[in-house]
Order: sequence, then C-alpha cells, then structure tokens
Amino acid sequence: AQSVAQPEDQVNVAEGNPLTVKCTYSVSGNPYLFWYVQYPNRGLQFLLKYITGDNLVKGSYGFEAEFNKSQTSFHLKKPSALVSDSALYFCAVRDNYGQNFVFGPGTRLSVLP
Amino acid sequence: KAGVTQTPRYLIKTRGQQVTLSCSPISGHRSVSWYQQTPGQGLQFLFEYFSETQRNKGNFPGRFSGRQFSNSRSEMNVSTLELGDSALYLCASSSVRGLAGDEQFFGPGTRLTVL
Repeated sequence: AQSVAQPEDQVNVAEGNPLTVKCTYSVSGNPYLFWYVQYPNRGLQFLLKYITGDNLVKGSYGFEAEFNKSQTSFHLKKPSALVSDSALYFCAVRDNYGQNFVFGPGTRLSVLP
Repeated sequence: KAGVTQTPRYLIKTRGQQVTLSCSPISGHRSVSWYQQTPGQGLQFLFEYFSETQRNKGNFPGRFSGRQFSNSRSEMNVSTLELGDSALYLCASSSVRGLAGDEQFFGPGTRLTVL
C-alpha cells in the first residue's frame, strides 16, 4: 500500500533563511511525487512534481524538491523564505500503475518576519 | 481558463439527511477526484472518475457515492449523514490524457456541516 509521511507537523523559519519541508514515501511501483500548498480557506495549489529524470525539480514560487530514491524522500526546499510562504504543505504520491493519490498529513510552515 | 468550480461552497445539514455536491472540472480535463479533508484525518481520497468510469475508490462506506457525466462534470452524494461527515470536500481535475503522472488541480471545496 502507498503511504506518505511528513515527520514535522510544524516548521518555523525566519524570513530570508532557507527552508526545508520533509517528505518520505512508500510505493510499490515507480513513484510519482507531488507537492501542494494550501492557504487558509482555499483549495490546494500544485507546486511541483517528480515523474522521471533529473532528481532536482523546480516549481512555482521559487520552490524546488529533491528526489532521493535510496532514502525514499522528496523534501521541499526554498533558498530564501518569505512571510507569504506561510501555509500548509502537502506531499503526495501516486504509483505508475495509476492508483489513487495518497497525501501526507501536511506540514504547517510559519515564516517569521 | 476557468479553474475547478464546486457548488455549493457551504452546506448545513442535519443527521440522516442526504447531500449532493457538484464539481465542474477545468475545460478538457476528463479525470475528477474527490477528497474529504478534516483536521483529524487530513486529506482522504474518496474516488476518482475518468471518462464517466470510476477508476479508483477509497476506503469509505457505501453511503458515499459519485458519478461523472459525459461533459466530465461530477457529483458526489452522501446519504444518511452522520456528524462525522462534517468536513471540507475537495474536488480535483486532471488528465486530458489520463496519465498517472498528471498533477491535479483543486477546487475551493464545499464546507459541509452536519448538525
């Protein structure tokens, strides 16, 4: 069965500092990995995905994520955090057989001015 | 291009009633998925439809059902509502081509409150 873990409920970072939001996954086939962000009272917005190819993928708003197959991880990163990045971040996985998306529990990111 | 739209945005029902939620996907998208989001359980997958066929189903009781129409619009129905059904119900569309690697685009959700 597919699963996603986001080990941190909350991440606090000062504005201008780099940020990392962690994600590990378990899937039977090849993984398709996604990051989404949710702002208060709004739906989820797609940030980036890894399907195949380069392990470092770049997405919206300056975010990037690194796929690490040996560690089954897909951590979200940004070199310099903004206060406006404060939101709830979800990692999701789907296997290449087309099973349903499985979302992690979410990590609340707070960027402090 | 218009995004995913969901109606209604807010609903208040009482236990035992039934409810129907509607989702219009992004134009051209043929896949629609439904999720339930609660503070305790997070985002849980309900079902996925592609070209009017249910392709995947989550672990929810039979009170939860859905369908997709020929224009890709989708509805989900919850019968015999329980207090625990109070949640934000999110609809997402993707896949002009139906590929597993296609990202999903989410609507704003329908906030259902069961009293």
